[in-house]
Amino acid sequence: EVQLVQSAAEVKKAGESLKISCKGSGYFFDSYWMGWVRQTPARGLEWMAIIYPADSDTTYSPSFQGQIAISADTSITTAFLQWTTLKASDTAIYYCVRGSTTGWARFDFWGQGTLVIVSS
Amino acid sequence: QSALTQPPSASGSPGQSVTISCTGTSSDARGNDYVSWYQHHPGKAPKLLIYEVTKRPSGVPDRFSGSQSGNTASLTVSGLQAEDEADYYCTSYAGRHSFGVVFGGGTKLTVL
Repeated sequence: EVQLVQSAAEVKKAGESLKISCKGSGYFFDSYWMGWVRQTPARGLEWMAIIYPADSDTTYSPSFQGQIAISADTSITTAFLQWTTLKASDTAIYYCVRGSTTGWARFDFWGQGTLVIVSS
Repeated sequence: QSALTQPPSASGSPGQSVTISCTGTSSDARGNDYVSWYQHHPGKAPKLLIYEVTKRPSGVPDRFSGSQSGNTASLTVSGLQAEDEADYYCTSYAGRHSFGVVFGGGTKLTVL
């Protein structure tokens, strides 16, 4: 059974750093694209970035380029999303999503979501 | 960046059919073969309903169907059931050297 299990909710202050995780299981982690999607009340769902774990090939949405960094560790089948300097506007639910082996036109499995609250 | 336009709300009575539209606003999002639809119940993870315009993943009921005409993709929910009440999002993928993946604004489906 494919599962994406995300790290617990976080409460941080503006200016702090943060790294959240998403552990994949039940499939060959290295060969499936893994992405991140943000959910906010104002903007709904937004695609942020995606990575191919086998070679760390990465693409960022222009809206998030320079604001975040994503990575993956195949030895522990886990993908990461990180910020060096959080802003209050980063308050959102973040989902990790699995693409396919050949691309990321669809996301067939989603993590349960990680709530990030950033106080100003 | 291109955008996908969805109506903010839609509604129907149990047993009826409802169609939700998704209109591309740039050449990157028109006539795209890589349109997907997701169902999102609040507090739960979104679920893939339709991919590549018309295809259904295994386990998705055939009450859900997708289509496309020109720059507008559509999701039709037939035989509405109470559990279909949710938010629905379309996405379009135009390649990594374009805008990547873009989500529509979402449509709140209410089952009356």
